[in-house]
Amino acid sequence: DAMVIQNPRYQVTQFGKPVTLSCSQTLNHNVMYWYQQKSSQAPKLLFHYYDKDFNNEADTPDNFQSRRPNTSFCFLDIRSPGLGDAAMYLCATSRTSGNSPLHFGNGTRLTVT
Amino acid sequence: GDSVTQMEGPVTLSEEAFLTINCTYTATGYPSLFWYVQYPGEGLQLLLKATKADDKGSNKGFEATYRKETTSFHLEKGSVQVSDSAVYFCALSDTTGGSYIPTFGRGTSLIVHP
Repeated sequence: DAMVIQNPRYQVTQFGKPVTLSCSQTLNHNVMYWYQQKSSQAPKLLFHYYDKDFNNEADTPDNFQSRRPNTSFCFLDIRSPGLGDAAMYLCATSRTSGNSPLHFGNGTRLTVT
Repeated sequence: GDSVTQMEGPVTLSEEAFLTINCTYTATGYPSLFWYVQYPGEGLQLLLKATKADDKGSNKGFEATYRKETTSFHLEKGSVQVSDSAVYFCALSDTTGGSYIPTFGRGTSLIVHP
């Protein structure tokens, strides 16, 4: 089945220690998104790629970076995680049509100690 | 700008009860509307969608009708099950300005008791 896969499901990192989360897709969608979701809240868009074009949300902290080396893979780098960065991180993909829904991975739960 | 407003949760129901989760939207153009469901510890999944006025989206016993006159897209199910316990998100995509980025509501938690 075509899908969006995130690894790892659970990630523990230390305060200030860089961490990378990964996402892969077999849907061949040209748009990939990274969302941050904290408990009992809606997902918050951090950035997205339209093909290779990177689009950062205005309020995404500089601490968060992303890489998309090819259509299938996308990475979220947190350069110096703080306690406030503990959250669920969701990767999603879509086509560019407004009728096209998002396809989400199961997320990576990040804990910062 | 575009926005989506959902009723506050949690919504607590007994099994086999009727469910309504209200969703209203504000958009400058003619958006497509979606309901997503998030089960504990998982990502969001598309539940249903509607792309134009008066369309009805349906899936797994859930339904929602795109009402342009009331700018609403309320989610309904005639008889809920314990397995429907999850968080439900209403969302829109408005491509009028060329954007495909969806706008999400805050989510409504549903708890179904046996």
